[in-house]
Amino acid sequence: DAKTTQPPSMDCAEGRAANLPCNHSTISGNEYVYWYRQIHSQGPQYIIHGLKNNETNEMASLIITEDRKSSTLILPHATLRDTAVYYCIARIVDTGNQFYFGTGTSLTVIP
Amino acid sequence: EPEVTQTPSHQVTQMGQEVILRCVPISNHLYFYWYRQILGQKVEFLVSFYNNEISEKSEIFDDQFSVERPDGSNFTLKIRSTKLEDSAMYFCASRFFRVDNEQFFGPGTRLTVL
Repeated sequence: DAKTTQPPSMDCAEGRAANLPCNHSTISGNEYVYWYRQIHSQGPQYIIHGLKNNETNEMASLIITEDRKSSTLILPHATLRDTAVYYCIARIVDTGNQFYFGTGTSLTVIP
Repeated sequence: EPEVTQTPSHQVTQMGQEVILRCVPISNHLYFYWYRQILGQKVEFLVSFYNNEISEKSEIFDDQFSVERPDGSNFTLKIRSTKLEDSAMYFCASRFFRVDNEQFFGPGTRLTVL
């Protein structure tokens, strides 16, 4: 799985969009980009994933650059409950592979 | 919405004792996982399980650990002789069969070894 690089921490004002960057410059063609978050000590929560097209769901949007070397997770209107550690994971999909979690980005949403 | 459940939420045990952590994966999922997270550290993969056998395990998952799916719903992690360094949050996860499907994680069991 490709290594990903994320800033260790970010702040965002409540109600504003939170844009969390991730660098995965060594990503291969068959690796998906997944985003998870972990609120306090709860279990990681799936947010979104994509291969090369931009994706959107009820939680967030995922923008992947055309060369696939980086991506941005967008929380369109951050709330205090979005304060969490966000993990960007590049992963080859096959039948059973585990996820390798790095240190992620600690996002603090400020009132 | 279906979810992964884990019991107990907190387990306290004495060093050297055996513990069994229990998980109920989402009912139509076929792949099961255990991860752990030592306080303040990364989430680490322990083991994956499919078709009633271990499909992959990390170097953390030594002979002290075992997993079982004793019936159609439960998935357990056993630690035979706990050590102080086994104190951590243990997360169970499950996944549907499609290769790019996400893993759904449970709320975790906090294991404290005294």
